[in-house]
Amino acid sequence: DIQMTQSPSSLSTFVGDRVTITCRASQSISSHLNWFQHKPGEAPKLLIYSASSLQSGVSSRFSGSGSGADFTLTISYLQPEDFATYFCQQSYTTPWTFGQGTKVEIK
Amino acid sequence: EVQLLESGGGLVQPGGSLRLSCAASGFTFRNYAVSWVRQAPGKGLEWVSSISGTGGSTYYADSVKGRFAISRDNSKNTLYLQMSSLRAGDTAIYYCAKDKVFDIWGQGTMVTVSS
Repeated sequence: DIQMTQSPSSLSTFVGDRVTITCRASQSISSHLNWFQHKPGEAPKLLIYSASSLQSGVSSRFSGSGSGADFTLTISYLQPEDFATYFCQQSYTTPWTFGQGTKVEIK
Repeated sequence: EVQLLESGGGLVQPGGSLRLSCAASGFTFRNYAVSWVRQAPGKGLEWVSSISGTGGSTYYADSVKGRFAISRDNSKNTLYLQMSSLRAGDTAIYYCAKDKVFDIWGQGTMVTVSS
């Protein structure tokens, strides 16, 4: 199975800051990497697919980059509604696997 | 509006069975693979199972293989997950999700396995 490792596991930051979350795969997954936002009690929301493509309807403050085994999610100018947990997921091969999540909290 | 709505969760004893349903609307259901993903309390997301648009191909995580069965009824726009031989470790919120990139998710249904 492909292991997905996210860092950091949590971070505390201010509204207006720029946030970077990294995700590393245990082997190359080309660009088959997706990013999700998850808030308690809500359905997870796809933000970025294929490493860098912005899902329709998602704010352009979210961007993704990377290929192979190393990927990054960047949130520019953090807004109050962005405080949530973020997961990466590889869609290269089954079993599809997720990172353990990064919780973004208000400082 | 594209929507998925899960149902069927509840409290079940270890060794018991439960069937989850996921009703789809707002898109041509038969054209898309759909999946089940779960989240145990305090844990991350875990893919459980997927099924192709026709239902001809199914995939399972090793943790549920032989105990869970995924199926779909394209005439009813509904996805199912038949769960048997349930264990405490299966306690989780179960979500259904559309397509290979999980672009749409339901709100989830809680399954608790406990005596």
